[in-house]
Amino acid sequence: GAVVSQHPSRVICKSGTSVKIECRSLDFQATTMFWYRQFPKKSLMLMATSNEGSKATYEQGVEKDKFLINHASLTLSTLTVTSAHPEDSSFYICSAQQVSNQPQHFGDGTRLSIL
Amino acid sequence: KQEVTQIPAALSVPEGENLVLNCSFTDSAIYNLQWFRQDPGKGLTSLLLIQSSQREQTSGRLNASLDKSSGRSTLYIAASQPGDSATYLCAVKRDKIIFGKGTRLHILP
Repeated sequence: GAVVSQHPSRVICKSGTSVKIECRSLDFQATTMFWYRQFPKKSLMLMATSNEGSKATYEQGVEKDKFLINHASLTLSTLTVTSAHPEDSSFYICSAQQVSNQPQHFGDGTRLSIL
Repeated sequence: KQEVTQIPAALSVPEGENLVLNCSFTDSAIYNLQWFRQDPGKGLTSLLLIQSSQREQTSGRLNASLDKSSGRSTLYIAASQPGDSATYLCAVKRDKIIFGKGTRLHILP
């Protein structure tokens, strides 16, 4: 149980393109979903926390107009990287949590490469 | 500000050996500590979660300990196997999860 599906697993696109990444909880309802970014040989950095039906809470230094997060249902959150540039290339991972005192369950990540 | 440090950054050991990975954190006011495994280019697999009131958790060949007052945790892997090769991440949670940079483990056949 507690499976989180993240799609796509890999994206390669040209600079200026907007890219949407989906995160789905397959067998549970996720009241909260989290989006992380991971640079090579670095820690996972929390970008934002989203609660179903509410605006996402962004961490300091993360541009909310650059990284649009939508959490329209209890099983789906999306991250859209708008007008992506090479510096946005990274590994993005989502996680989902059913209730606040339970573990987060992680997706398999999305490797984003902007040419 | 919570900081999580993992030592060593990388480790290579022969198959069959027992090994210990270390994690330290600066703020002892945590709800729980979790150890994850990450394979190259993949997401995270949760290995063990220790609540702040607990001292250790065990799963198969893995044992994780927590000393909250000193801000330390260890992950003990018994009888290591080549399939254990991966990056191991330590993470502490209070209002959000803070990750360490991980230990890249390579088990030599």
